[in-house]
Amino acid sequence: NAGVTQTPKFRILKIGQSMTLQCTQDMNHNYMYWYRQDPGMGLKLIYYSVGAGITDKGEVPNGYNVSRSTTEDFPLRLELAAPSQTSVYFCASNEGSTEAFFGQGTRLTVV
Amino acid sequence: DQQVKQNSPSLSVQEGRISILNCDYTNSMFDYFLWYKKYPAEGPTFLISISSIKDKNEDGRFTVFLNKSAKHLSLHIVPSQPGDSAVYFCAAISSGSARQLTFGSGTQLTVLP
Repeated sequence: NAGVTQTPKFRILKIGQSMTLQCTQDMNHNYMYWYRQDPGMGLKLIYYSVGAGITDKGEVPNGYNVSRSTTEDFPLRLELAAPSQTSVYFCASNEGSTEAFFGQGTRLTVV
Repeated sequence: DQQVKQNSPSLSVQEGRISILNCDYTNSMFDYFLWYKKYPAEGPTFLISISSIKDKNEDGRFTVFLNKSAKHLSLHIVPSQPGDSAVYFCAAISSGSARQLTFGSGTQLTVLP
């Protein structure tokens, strides 16, 4: 039972480059989330989805885009990477009010 | 505007003693509260939760207390063990259409042998 899987685990980007962080879950959860964690800070919500075809902005959406074409996948797209996007990114999923399950994270450095 | 606050960035406790981690919130629409534990280089893992209709929930060595009038919750770990050393995040869910978590900034717990 894989749970929530994120790829890649690490990535270094140059300013202005783009990339997609992949997230897939095998628990058939409708709700999926992307968070970022900066040093000494809590997790801040970037985008979320309540089901396939439905996405919405969280607290810190600027510079990111998402899509949800299937229940399983929720990729996060960075179009023009900036140093301020250096962070650890976590994908999570849950079903309604149950606890969210998190992936292991993607550590992104923008130089 | 931090809706969930953990005012202690770190806490050190001797093995076998009680660890008490605190969390305050401002949003009265929160109706479900959770504690997550995070080890370095791993994602957060769920520890224990409590609904706003309760004031206490216990699971083994872990107990969460909720004081709605004070908008305060706490996590008690008894007895503390060195393996409990991790960052603990308090999180809350508000009643509404999307059940996303709002996190506090975390408390680094160190249990000394």
